[in-house]
Amino acid sequence: DARVTQTPRHKVTEMGQEVTMRCQPILGHNTVFWYRQTMMQGLELLAYFRNRAPLDDSGMPKDRFSAEMPDATLATLKIQPSEPRDSAVYFCASGLVLGRDTEAFFGQGTRLTVV
Amino acid sequence: AQSVTQLGSHVSVSEGALVLLRCNYSSSVPPYLFWYVQYPNQGLQLLLKYTTGATLVKGINGFEAEFKKSETSFHLTKPSAHMSDAAEYFCAVTFMDTGRRALTFGSGTRLQVQP
Repeated sequence: DARVTQTPRHKVTEMGQEVTMRCQPILGHNTVFWYRQTMMQGLELLAYFRNRAPLDDSGMPKDRFSAEMPDATLATLKIQPSEPRDSAVYFCASGLVLGRDTEAFFGQGTRLTVV
Repeated sequence: AQSVTQLGSHVSVSEGALVLLRCNYSSSVPPYLFWYVQYPNQGLQLLLKYTTGATLVKGINGFEAEFKKSETSFHLTKPSAHMSDAAEYFCAVTFMDTGRRALTFGSGTRLQVQP
Protein backbone atom coordinates (compact mmCIF):
# COMPACT_ATOMS: atom_id res chain seq x y z
CA ASP A 1 0.00 0.00 0.00
CA ALA A 2 1.89 3.03 -1.29
CA ARG A 3 1.72 6.07 0.95
CA VAL A 4 3.53 9.28 1.79
CA THR A 5 5.41 8.95 5.07
CA GLN A 6 6.15 11.94 7.27
CA THR A 7 8.33 12.06 10.36
CA PRO A 8 8.00 13.01 13.11
CA ARG A 9 4.22 12.99 13.57
CA HIS A 10 4.49 15.38 16.50
CA LYS A 11 7.18 17.83 17.51
CA VAL A 12 7.32 20.20 20.46
CA THR A 13 10.27 22.56 20.51
CA GLU A 14 11.39 25.76 22.14
CA MET A 15 11.51 29.03 20.31
CA GLY A 16 14.82 29.52 18.56
CA GLN A 17 15.50 25.84 18.00
CA GLU A 18 15.98 24.24 14.59
CA VAL A 19 13.21 21.95 13.38
CA THR A 20 13.56 19.42 10.57
CA MET A 21 10.58 17.62 9.09
CA ARG A 22 11.05 14.71 6.72
CA CYS A 23 8.94 13.23 3.98
CA GLN A 24 9.24 10.05 1.96
CA PRO A 25 7.17 10.46 -1.21
CA ILE A 26 5.48 7.60 -3.01
CA LEU A 27 7.96 5.73 -5.19
CA GLY A 28 7.71 6.88 -8.80
CA HIS A 29 6.07 10.23 -8.07
CA ASN A 30 7.82 13.17 -9.68
CA THR A 31 6.38 16.04 -7.64
CA VAL A 32 6.51 16.85 -3.93
CA PHE A 33 4.50 19.56 -2.20
CA TRP A 34 4.79 21.09 1.26
CA TYR A 35 1.64 22.61 2.76
CA ARG A 36 1.00 24.22 6.14
CA GLN A 37 -2.39 24.05 7.82
CA THR A 38 -3.54 26.47 10.52
CA MET A 39 -6.96 27.45 11.80
CA MET A 40 -6.51 31.03 10.66
CA GLN A 41 -4.95 30.55 7.23
CA GLY A 42 -6.18 27.11 6.23
CA LEU A 43 -4.00 25.12 3.83
CA GLU A 44 -1.15 27.17 2.39
CA LEU A 45 1.36 26.01 -0.19
CA LEU A 46 4.89 26.54 1.05
CA ALA A 47 6.94 24.97 -1.74
CA TYR A 48 6.95 22.28 -4.37
CA PHE A 49 9.50 20.30 -6.33
CA ARG A 50 9.40 18.59 -9.71
CA ASN A 51 12.00 15.90 -10.36
CA ARG A 52 13.78 17.14 -7.19
CA ALA A 53 14.15 20.69 -8.53
CA PRO A 54 12.38 23.50 -6.66
CA LEU A 55 9.67 25.04 -8.83
CA ASP A 56 7.96 27.38 -6.44
CA ASP A 57 8.82 28.38 -2.90
CA SER A 58 7.09 31.74 -2.92
CA GLY A 59 4.87 30.72 -0.01
CA MET A 60 7.78 30.11 2.29
CA PRO A 61 9.37 32.69 4.63
CA LYS A 62 12.83 32.68 3.12
CA ASP A 63 14.67 33.99 6.14
CA ARG A 64 13.91 30.97 8.32
CA PHE A 65 12.47 28.20 6.15
CA SER A 66 14.27 25.98 3.69
CA ALA A 67 13.14 22.99 1.65
CA GLU A 68 15.29 20.45 -0.12
CA MET A 69 15.18 17.08 -1.86
CA PRO A 70 18.54 15.40 -1.30
CA ASP A 71 17.33 12.43 -3.31
CA ALA A 72 14.16 11.07 -4.85
CA THR A 73 13.14 9.29 -1.65
CA LEU A 74 13.52 12.17 0.80
CA ALA A 75 12.21 15.71 1.08
CA THR A 76 13.00 17.93 4.04
CA LEU A 77 11.56 21.13 5.44
CA LYS A 78 13.67 23.03 7.95
CA ILE A 79 12.84 25.96 10.17
CA GLN A 80 15.72 27.82 11.79
CA PRO A 81 15.14 29.55 14.13
CA SER A 82 11.62 28.43 14.99
CA GLU A 83 9.03 30.86 16.34
CA PRO A 84 5.68 30.32 18.11
CA ARG A 85 3.83 31.52 14.98
CA ASP A 86 5.26 28.52 13.12
CA SER A 87 3.04 26.22 15.18
CA ALA A 88 0.89 24.37 12.65
CA VAL A 89 0.43 21.03 10.93
CA TYR A 90 2.84 20.60 8.04
CA PHE A 91 1.79 18.26 5.25
CA CYS A 92 3.88 16.71 2.57
CA ALA A 93 2.15 15.45 -0.56
CA SER A 94 3.46 13.72 -3.64
CA GLY A 95 2.05 13.16 -7.08
CA LEU A 96 2.81 12.00 -10.59
CA VAL A 97 2.19 15.23 -12.45
CA LEU A 98 1.84 14.59 -16.17
CA GLY A 99 0.95 17.59 -18.28
CA ARG A 100 -1.78 19.44 -16.45
CA ASP A 101 -3.08 16.69 -14.16
CA THR A 102 -2.07 17.37 -10.56
CA GLU A 103 -3.34 14.69 -8.20
CA ALA A 104 -1.64 14.87 -4.82
CA PHE A 105 -1.44 12.17 -2.17
CA PHE A 106 -0.98 13.49 1.34
CA GLY A 107 0.99 12.23 4.29
CA GLN A 108 -0.39 12.21 7.83
CA GLY A 109 1.31 15.48 8.67
CA THR A 110 3.73 16.74 11.30
CA ARG A 111 2.09 18.67 14.12
CA LEU A 112 4.60 21.30 15.24
CA THR A 113 4.26 23.21 18.48
CA VAL A 114 6.79 25.96 19.21
CA VAL A 115 6.72 27.18 22.81
CA ALA B 1 -7.98 37.24 -9.46
CA GLN B 2 -7.88 33.48 -9.16
CA SER B 3 -9.61 32.06 -6.13
CA VAL B 4 -11.57 29.14 -4.77
CA THR B 5 -14.44 29.72 -2.35
CA GLN B 6 -16.34 27.26 -0.21
CA LEU B 7 -19.65 28.61 1.02
CA GLY B 8 -20.40 27.60 4.58
CA SER B 9 -17.66 26.71 7.01
CA HIS B 10 -20.04 24.34 8.83
CA VAL B 11 -22.84 22.21 7.43
CA SER B 12 -25.04 19.99 9.56
CA VAL B 13 -27.34 17.31 8.14
CA SER B 14 -29.32 14.42 9.54
CA GLU B 15 -28.28 10.87 8.85
CA GLY B 16 -29.90 9.80 5.58
CA ALA B 17 -30.33 13.35 4.31
CA LEU B 18 -28.81 14.88 1.21
CA VAL B 19 -25.33 16.33 1.56
CA LEU B 20 -24.51 19.42 -0.50
CA LEU B 21 -21.17 21.19 -0.09
CA ARG B 22 -20.58 24.21 -2.28
CA CYS B 23 -17.46 25.24 -4.14
CA ASN B 24 -16.98 28.10 -6.59
CA TYR B 25 -13.85 29.21 -8.37
CA SER B 26 -12.71 32.31 -10.14
CA SER B 27 -10.51 31.86 -13.18
CA SER B 28 -10.43 32.97 -16.79
CA VAL B 29 -9.64 29.41 -17.88
CA PRO B 30 -11.53 26.38 -16.53
CA PRO B 31 -9.27 24.76 -13.95
CA TYR B 32 -8.86 21.20 -12.82
CA LEU B 33 -11.02 20.62 -9.73
CA PHE B 34 -10.71 18.30 -6.77
CA TRP B 35 -12.49 17.42 -3.55
CA TYR B 36 -10.52 16.12 -0.58
CA VAL B 37 -11.72 14.87 2.81
CA GLN B 38 -9.84 15.18 6.09
CA TYR B 39 -10.70 13.14 9.16
CA PRO B 40 -9.44 14.30 12.58
CA ASN B 41 -5.67 14.09 12.96
CA GLN B 42 -5.32 12.67 9.46
CA GLY B 43 -4.00 13.83 6.13
CA LEU B 44 -6.19 14.68 3.17
CA GLN B 45 -7.71 11.94 1.04
CA LEU B 46 -8.85 12.47 -2.52
CA LEU B 47 -12.59 11.98 -2.99
CA LEU B 48 -12.86 12.81 -6.69
CA LYS B 49 -11.51 15.05 -9.43
CA TYR B 50 -12.57 16.70 -12.66
CA THR B 51 -10.05 17.31 -15.43
CA THR B 52 -11.79 16.93 -18.79
CA GLY B 53 -14.69 14.98 -20.26
CA ALA B 54 -17.89 14.14 -18.42
CA THR B 55 -18.87 16.95 -16.11
CA LEU B 56 -20.53 14.67 -13.53
CA VAL B 57 -17.80 12.92 -11.61
CA LYS B 58 -18.29 10.04 -9.22
CA GLY B 59 -15.91 9.45 -6.36
CA ILE B 60 -15.39 7.24 -3.37
CA ASN B 61 -17.85 6.71 -0.52
CA GLY B 62 -20.86 7.54 -2.70
CA PHE B 63 -19.90 11.17 -3.35
CA GLU B 64 -20.22 12.90 -6.67
CA ALA B 65 -19.66 16.39 -8.03
CA GLU B 66 -20.72 18.26 -11.13
CA PHE B 67 -18.60 20.80 -12.96
CA LYS B 68 -20.73 23.68 -14.20
CA LYS B 69 -18.67 26.04 -16.29
CA SER B 70 -21.42 28.65 -16.62
CA GLU B 71 -21.72 28.86 -12.84
CA THR B 72 -17.99 28.34 -12.14
CA SER B 73 -19.01 25.75 -9.61
CA PHE B 74 -18.05 22.25 -8.53
CA HIS B 75 -20.47 21.33 -5.74
CA LEU B 76 -20.10 18.04 -3.88
CA THR B 77 -23.17 15.91 -3.18
CA LYS B 78 -24.15 12.64 -1.59
CA PRO B 79 -27.76 11.40 -1.66
CA SER B 80 -27.76 9.95 1.85
CA ALA B 81 -25.43 10.97 4.65
CA HIS B 82 -23.82 8.43 6.96
CA MET B 83 -22.39 9.12 10.39
CA SER B 84 -18.98 8.17 9.01
CA ASP B 85 -19.14 11.11 6.58
CA ALA B 86 -18.52 13.57 9.41
CA ALA B 87 -15.23 15.24 8.51
CA GLU B 88 -13.81 18.37 6.91
CA TYR B 89 -14.07 18.69 3.16
CA PHE B 90 -11.82 20.78 0.97
CA CYS B 91 -12.33 21.91 -2.57
CA ALA B 92 -9.05 22.36 -4.45
CA VAL B 93 -8.13 23.80 -7.81
CA THR B 94 -5.22 23.70 -10.23
CA PHE B 95 -5.36 26.91 -12.20
CA MET B 96 -4.53 26.32 -15.86
CA ASP B 97 -3.66 29.86 -16.91
CA THR B 98 -0.47 29.88 -14.88
CA GLY B 99 2.51 27.59 -15.00
CA ARG B 100 1.86 26.58 -11.44
CA ARG B 101 0.74 22.99 -11.03
CA ALA B 102 0.09 23.03 -7.31
CA LEU B 103 -3.32 22.78 -5.68
CA THR B 104 -4.97 25.86 -4.23
CA PHE B 105 -7.38 24.92 -1.46
CA GLY B 106 -10.60 26.45 -0.30
CA SER B 107 -11.09 27.22 3.37
CA GLY B 108 -12.89 23.96 4.06
CA THR B 109 -16.38 22.92 5.19
CA ARG B 110 -16.87 20.89 8.33
CA LEU B 111 -19.71 18.41 7.88
CA GLN B 112 -21.63 17.25 10.92
CA VAL B 113 -24.04 14.34 10.65
CA GLN B 114 -26.75 14.16 13.29
CA PRO B 115 -28.30 10.81 14.23
